[in-house]
Formats: sequence, structure tokens, C-alpha cells
Amino acid sequence: DGGITQSPKYLFRKEGQNVTLSCEQNLNHDAMYWYRQDPGQGLRLIYYSQIVNDFQKGDIAEGYSVSREKKESFPLTVTSAQKNPTAFYLCASSIFGRPGELFFGEGSRLTVL
Amino acid sequence: SQKIEQNSEALNIQEGKTATLTCNYTNYSPAYLQWYRQDPGRGPVFLLLIRENEKEKRKERLKVTFDTTLKQSLFHITASQPADSATYLCALAGSSASKIIFGSGTRLSIRP
Repeated sequence: DGGITQSPKYLFRKEGQNVTLSCEQNLNHDAMYWYRQDPGQGLRLIYYSQIVNDFQKGDIAEGYSVSREKKESFPLTVTSAQKNPTAFYLCASSIFGRPGELFFGEGSRLTVL
Repeated sequence: SQKIEQNSEALNIQEGKTATLTCNYTNYSPAYLQWYRQDPGRGPVFLLLIRENEKEKRKERLKVTFDTTLKQSLFHITASQPADSATYLCALAGSSASKIIFGSGTRLSIRP
């Protein structure tokens, strides 16, 4: 079945450590996105990528980095520079240029101890 | 800056009634507006999309309206059921649809 897989589902890290969240899709979608969601709040855009080897900053890119070396993969690294990294992270994909829906993964919950 | 506002208070509706959720936006001229459903601890699921030149869109018990003059969308669930209880998110996209921004969502509870 086609879909988006995020891993790990839960992650704990100590302050000062970088952590990478995985996002893989087999929908053959061009565009991929990373959002952050804090309790009781909506989704805020971190980074998005429309094609391989290209990506753009969203509204809250500081302290995060991404890469898009393959069409099906869009990993997000939460660096130690991110001041408040504890959150629920959601990856999504869509067909670029079409106003179609975003397909979301099940999310990764990161807790910084 | 672009801003999307949804009902900040949770909405409690009696089963069988129509639930109406509101999405207002400022400093933006979206080409597309979408509604998503999100259950606790899960990723959002797409429900409906409406274009700027469309006034209304329906899908089964769901209806969305889009008023670009008022900068507002209304999302209706008719004949509501307890299974409709969830958080509903409004999202906007420009003509390229490359950057999609979300509202904070409205939590809907349908009581039996």
C-alpha cells in the first residue's frame, strides 16, 4: 500500500544533541513537507521541497535542516540550535503544482529531556 | 503577516445536528482552501478542497463554502455523529500550491 512512513514514532534526546527524523513516501509525489505541531495548536511549516535537491524554508526553519537527495525521502534534522524542540513533527507529501491534498505520515513525537 | 483563525473554543454539538466550523484569514489571497480532520496523536487526513472561484463544495455529509470577499470559509457536517468528533484544520495555499499553511484547528465533540 502506498503511503508515508515516519520514524521513529517516539524519540527522546538530551539537550545539545542533534536528532534526525525519517520520512519516506512511496506515492511518487514530487513535493514533501515538514510541519511542527505543539499541544493545542495548528501546524507550522518548517521546510518544504518541490523537487529533488531543492528545498525552501518555511515559517520556522531556524534550528532545523533538511536534505532531499531522493524523491522518496525527506529527512529532518533537529539541531541543538533549536531552542524548544519538544513537539509533534509531521511529514507530508503532495503532487507538486496541483492543489491536491497533503498526505500525512503518523508523526514523530520528540521529547527533549 | 498571513494569519488564519479558527474557532478557538471547542464546539459541542448534539448528535444529529449540523456542526458549523469557521475559518477566517487575513493578509492572504489563497487560490485554494482545504479542510483536514485530525484525531489525537495522528496525522491529519484530507477532507475537502475548494478553489477561489468556487462558492461551495459538497462531499457526502460535508459542505464547504468559500467567500473571498469576507475572507472566510465555513465547514458544515450535517447529521453529525459521535464518530465525527475530532479536530478540524483549515489550510490555505497560493496558486502554485507549493506552500500550504494551517490554522490552529477547532476541536469538535458530538455527544450522543
